[in-house]
Amino acid sequence: DVVLTQSPATLSVTPGERISLSCRASESVDTYLHWYQQKPNESPRLLIKYASQSISGIPSRFSGSGSGTDFTLSINGVELEDLSIYYCQQGNSLPFTFGSGTKLEIK
Amino acid sequence: EVQLVETGGGLVQPGRSLKLSCVASGFTFNNYWMSWTRQAPGKGLEWVASITNSGGSTYYPDSVKGRFTISRDNAQNTLYLQMNSLRSEDTATYYCTRFSLGAHDYWGQGVMVTVSS
Repeated sequence: DVVLTQSPATLSVTPGERISLSCRASESVDTYLHWYQQKPNESPRLLIKYASQSISGIPSRFSGSGSGTDFTLSINGVELEDLSIYYCQQGNSLPFTFGSGTKLEIK
Repeated sequence: EVQLVETGGGLVQPGRSLKLSCVASGFTFNNYWMSWTRQAPGKGLEWVASITNSGGSTYYPDSVKGRFTISRDNAQNTLYLQMNSLRSEDTATYYCTRFSLGAHDYWGQGVMVTVSS
């Protein structure tokens, strides 16, 4: 199984900061790596697909990069509403797996 | 607007069965793979099952293989998850998702399943 390791587990940030979240795969997943945001008491939603492709309706401050085993989700100018847990997920091979998440806290 | 509405959750005893349903609208249901993903209380996300658009193939992780069955009725735009031999570790919120080329691009509101005596 492909193990996705997300870091850090928790990140405390100041509004306006640019931040980067990491997701590392135990083996190559090409660009079949997707990012999700889960706000408190809500269902997850797709933020970025195929490592770097934007999703309609998602603010432009969210971007993704990477391929193979190393991936990054960046938020350019964190806002209060970004308080969430962020998960990565690989769709390259069965079983489809998720990372354990990065919790974003706002200072 | 894409909508996925799950029903069928509840409290069930260990070893018993439960069937979840998900009614889809706002897109051409039979053009898409569909999936179920779950989240135990306070925990992360776990993929549970996927089914091809025709229903001809299904996929599961080892944790549920042989106990859970995903199916669909394309005439009724409905996805199902039959869960047998339930265990306490199956306690979770179950989400129905549209599954497009490996990405869960739309999620339902979720339905809670509690396995307890």
